[in-house]
Amino acid sequence: KNEVEQSPQNLTAQEGEFITINCSYSVGISALHWLQQHPGGGIVSLFMLSSGKKKHGRLIATINIQEKHSSLHITASHPRDSAVYICAVKGNYGGSQGNLIFGKGTKLSVKP
Amino acid sequence: NAGVTQTPKFQVLKTGQSMTLQCAQDMNHEYMSWYRQDPGMGLRLIHYSVGAGITDQGEVPNGYNVSRSTTEDFPLRLLSAAPSQTSVYFCASSYSMGRQGGQETQYFGPGTRLLVL
Repeated sequence: KNEVEQSPQNLTAQEGEFITINCSYSVGISALHWLQQHPGGGIVSLFMLSSGKKKHGRLIATINIQEKHSSLHITASHPRDSAVYICAVKGNYGGSQGNLIFGKGTKLSVKP
Repeated sequence: NAGVTQTPKFQVLKTGQSMTLQCAQDMNHEYMSWYRQDPGMGLRLIHYSVGAGITDQGEVPNGYNVSRSTTEDFPLRLLSAAPSQTSVYFCASSYSMGRQGGQETQYFGPGTRLLVL
């Protein structure tokens, strides 16, 4: 049973499109992270949020704690946004408290 | 700041060989962790440390050892490599996993690609 589920697994978009990636989780959390993994393999932290909404440039992340759901939006997508986007949650239960649980990632390809 | 560094970038081992994957950070971070990334799976935690001298097991610790003698370094040792350990290994660090306000932002190393034959 996956504690963190992302959808879609793969996403192809045309340059300029508005993109949404979803993350659902089944455990109690204290924080949720969105990460970006470049085609070369490097992983970069985009957002960490525990409530509401955060915005950085063309990226917007939202979280609904009651519904156990988060979304990552990309406005005016560009080919350089092509990457794997990973959702990870920080559990607030049991022995794993403090460590991150990762989704499998969403592979985004933006065509020019 | 160099951030989080990992060496080597790529390694080929034979079954039964041992090796150490190096990880270092220069940000004075308390929390360091090792993950493995396999196709079709999310990153999985191998071992982690909340400070010098303190380590603990993650989700998939078997076949791996760690130590944390200094704040900066967190090496991962493969005692007797097996083909099942073929993977990409990432080291990550953050100020803490217990504090709020952005101090839990994760910084990842560039990864080590390991092939065990």
